[in-house]
Amino acid sequence: GAVVSQHPSWVICKSGTSVKIECRSLDFQATTMFWYRQFPKQSLMLMATSNEGSKATYEQGVEKDKFLINHASLTLSTLTVTSAHPEDSSFYICSVKVGRPSYNEQFFGPGTRLTVL
Amino acid sequence: GQQLNQSPQSMFIQEGEDVSMNCTSSSIFNTWLWYKQDPGEGPVLLIALYKAGELTSNGRLTAQFGITRKDSFLNISASIPSDVGIYFCAGQLFGGNKLVFGAGTILRVKS
Repeated sequence: GAVVSQHPSWVICKSGTSVKIECRSLDFQATTMFWYRQFPKQSLMLMATSNEGSKATYEQGVEKDKFLINHASLTLSTLTVTSAHPEDSSFYICSVKVGRPSYNEQFFGPGTRLTVL
Repeated sequence: GQQLNQSPQSMFIQEGEDVSMNCTSSSIFNTWLWYKQDPGEGPVLLIALYKAGELTSNGRLTAQFGITRKDSFLNISASIPSDVGIYFCAGQLFGGNKLVFGAGTILRVKS
């Protein structure tokens, strides 16, 4: 498996500000990481696939200019929520893909709770 | 898009009872994964299934990958209070890089 950390674990910010969330793979070099969003009592929704050294691939309906993803190294991907609004309040979770290219075991971080006032 | 139909939506069982949940889809998957999520935490991988018909155990957990690659079940034997949480199935399509998640099964255990 892989050990994944996220920072911060929770953040409260004012509407209009930007928030950066870090996702680190502690024991595995991850060429691919994923960012998910989870609203209360709902399943995980994939936001984007983060590829080391290249641009992220965003899911339909996810604004790439609002959710900036940077995957500059094999152990770190960051998600920046720009000009956050209350509707962006959610639980953001990253994951690391391990295993052979044809298989896809993903190991998740502990999540970041974002609250926008 | 592809969907995984997970059932039941929730279960409230007595400690010591066995639990069974399943996921079905109209799509064929390359990989099936089962995760457990505790409140306020990220999902934890329980079991990964790769071969059609594969039956895999992890302690009190047993999961099987359907022969058609369109379904999977997860059984928990002799449930205990710490089994409480939300269980998600997730599948990867052939040639794909992403996981599709089921809606989750909420498990509550009465001690």
